Amino acid sequence: DAKTTQPPSMDCAEGRAANLPCNHSTISGNEYVYWYRQIHSQGPQYIIHGLKNNETNEMASLIITEDRKSSTLILPHATLRDTAVYYCIVRGAGGGADGLTFGKGTHLIIQP
Amino acid sequence: EAQVTQNPRYLITVTGKKLTVTCSQNMNHEYMSWYRQDPGLGLRQIYYSMNVEVTDKGDVPEGYKVSRKEKRNFPLILESPSPNQTSLYFCASRIQWDRLTEAFFGQGTRLTVV
Repeated sequence: DAKTTQPPSMDCAEGRAANLPCNHSTISGNEYVYWYRQIHSQGPQYIIHGLKNNETNEMASLIITEDRKSSTLILPHATLRDTAVYYCIVRGAGGGADGLTFGKGTHLIIQP
Repeated sequence: EAQVTQNPRYLITVTGKKLTVTCSQNMNHEYMSWYRQDPGLGLRQIYYSMNVEVTDKGDVPEGYKVSRKEKRNFPLILESPSPNQTSLYFCASRIQWDRLTEAFFGQGTRLTVV
């Protein structure tokens, strides 16, 4: 799986859009971009994933650049409950060990 | 409600005393897995199971055992716990073996071995 780089921390005002960047310059053509988050010591929670097109669901939007070397997770109206560590992961298909390692991620702090 | 349930949430035990952490999912998922999370080391996979009676080692299996006798349950067994197994443990499930499917995590078990 390709390596990802994220800023260690970010602040965002409550009610504003939170934009979390992720670099994955070595991504290969059949690898997807996944986002999970972990609210303080709780179980990680799936947010969204995409291959090349922009994706949106009830939680967030995912914007992937045309060259697929970077992406941005957008939380459109951040609330205090969105304070968490956000993990960007690149994954290809396959079985066996799933390599969900959740390295350092971005600690997003929503300010009131 | 679709969920993965772990028990107990918190456990303090002594070195060498066998313990079991239970994990149950109600989504009829084929794939289940155990992880430990330690500061600075991220999440590491201990064992996984692609279906009933099929289990395999992850990245850090030493000191742990698992079983998958039925689809919904995947207990983690520490036969002789040691202090280096003090950690935050998560169970997760996926609908099937393909890594591209979404993983659902339990709420975690914080284990302290003294």
